[in-house]
Amino acid sequence: DAGVIQSPRHEVTEMGQEVTLRCKPISGHDYLFWYRQTMMRGLELLIYFNNNVPIDDSGMPEDRFSAKMPNASFSTLKIQPSEPRDSAVYFCASSFWKTQYFGPGTRLLVL
Amino acid sequence: AQKITQTQPGMFVQEKEAVTLDCTYDTSDQSYGLFWYKQPSSGEMIFLIYQGSYDEQNATEGRYSLNFQKARKSANLVISASQLGDSAMYFCAMREGREYGNKLVFGAGTILRVKS
Repeated sequence: DAGVIQSPRHEVTEMGQEVTLRCKPISGHDYLFWYRQTMMRGLELLIYFNNNVPIDDSGMPEDRFSAKMPNASFSTLKIQPSEPRDSAVYFCASSFWKTQYFGPGTRLLVL
Repeated sequence: AQKITQTQPGMFVQEKEAVTLDCTYDTSDQSYGLFWYKQPSSGEMIFLIYQGSYDEQNATEGRYSLNFQKARKSANLVISASQLGDSAMYFCAMREGREYGNKLVFGAGTILRVKS
């Protein structure tokens, strides 16, 4: 079985541009999580979904961030407009039971 | 207060020796889960081992074992027979509550370097 798939793996953009990160969870998993990793703040949860419904978005830093899960096999995290402080590695993870499995991450650099 | 505390920013271990990475946690829930993940320099997060709060036995997965001391609220990772490929960042994480979909809270991590 394929693991969690994220795209793109690397993204370099300029301040003010819209950025869209994509995630395909493991088939059959009913929870999907978006995390952000930075040196200063470590790994922090942004938002998570259960059966495509957002459950907790309290970690989303600002209104510039939005996430959707239109179906069980696809989710997006959008930043509009992007800022240099959004530079980080963004992970998507999915789970069915107790363990969350992480994708390879998207390394975002906003100039 | 920190939910997950990893007090060792960095550790060295000689190849083939065992090493213990410390993790303490803080929760008032009776039902919770503890996890360890490995993050090599390539950046991916690799699940290593899980311990449920009601599990009576310490979890083991190959060379990894979790030394779970509930009264002390500690969940230390023990890696036996260290290999050069074990060099990585290791994160301890906790899921609070009974719901398996609950979010994970991560510690700051411990960098492990295995010396040949």
